[in-house]
Amino acid sequence: LAKTTQPISMDSYEGQEVNITCSHNNIATNDYITWYQQFPSQGPRFIIQGYKTKVTNEVASLFIPADRKSSTLSLPRVSLSDTAVYYCLVGTPSNFGNEKLTFGTGTRLTIIP
Amino acid sequence: DAGITQSPRHKVTETGTPVTLRCHQTENHRYMYWYRQDPGHGLRLIHYSYGVKDTDKGEVSDGYSVSRSKTEDFLLTLESATSSQTSVYFCAISEWDRVYEQYFGPGTRLTVT
Repeated sequence: LAKTTQPISMDSYEGQEVNITCSHNNIATNDYITWYQQFPSQGPRFIIQGYKTKVTNEVASLFIPADRKSSTLSLPRVSLSDTAVYYCLVGTPSNFGNEKLTFGTGTRLTIIP
Repeated sequence: DAGITQSPRHKVTETGTPVTLRCHQTENHRYMYWYRQDPGHGLRLIHYSYGVKDTDKGEVSDGYSVSRSKTEDFLLTLESATSSQTSVYFCAISEWDRVYEQYFGPGTRLTVT
């Protein structure tokens, strides 16, 4: 599994756009980038997954540059309810033997009123 | 939300006693996982199952065993609980070809005194 590096914590104000960047310099050709969100006292929740360029869903956008050595999770117009820990994972989703996900400690995002 | 339940949700037990945690799914997903989450360590994989009676070890499997006798149930057993196994335990499920898109249960808070 590719090693990922992301900030330990971030603060932002309500209504702003928040960008959380994840570095994955040794990403492999078949690897995808996946982000999870975890609220206190709950299990992680799958947010978004992408391979290249840009992916958008109802929750977030994922930007992946051409070299794929980093990715940015973008949360538009955050609210207090977006306060959570965000995890970036990199790996090949459909390869047997790649089931052992490594979540790391993630980025703790705090939204300030 | 994916149909995943965990039981019990809370348990206090004494050192040296056996403990079994149960994960039950109604989604008919092939893969099931057990994680533990501790402050400063993020989520760590204990064991996972890729089918009935098919299991494999994760990152922190010592002191734990698992069993899967039917698709919907995945049991985690602490043969002789220790204080270091005090943690929050999460079960997760996924499709076989989307192992990075996991759906998590509500968690079990286990305290070993």
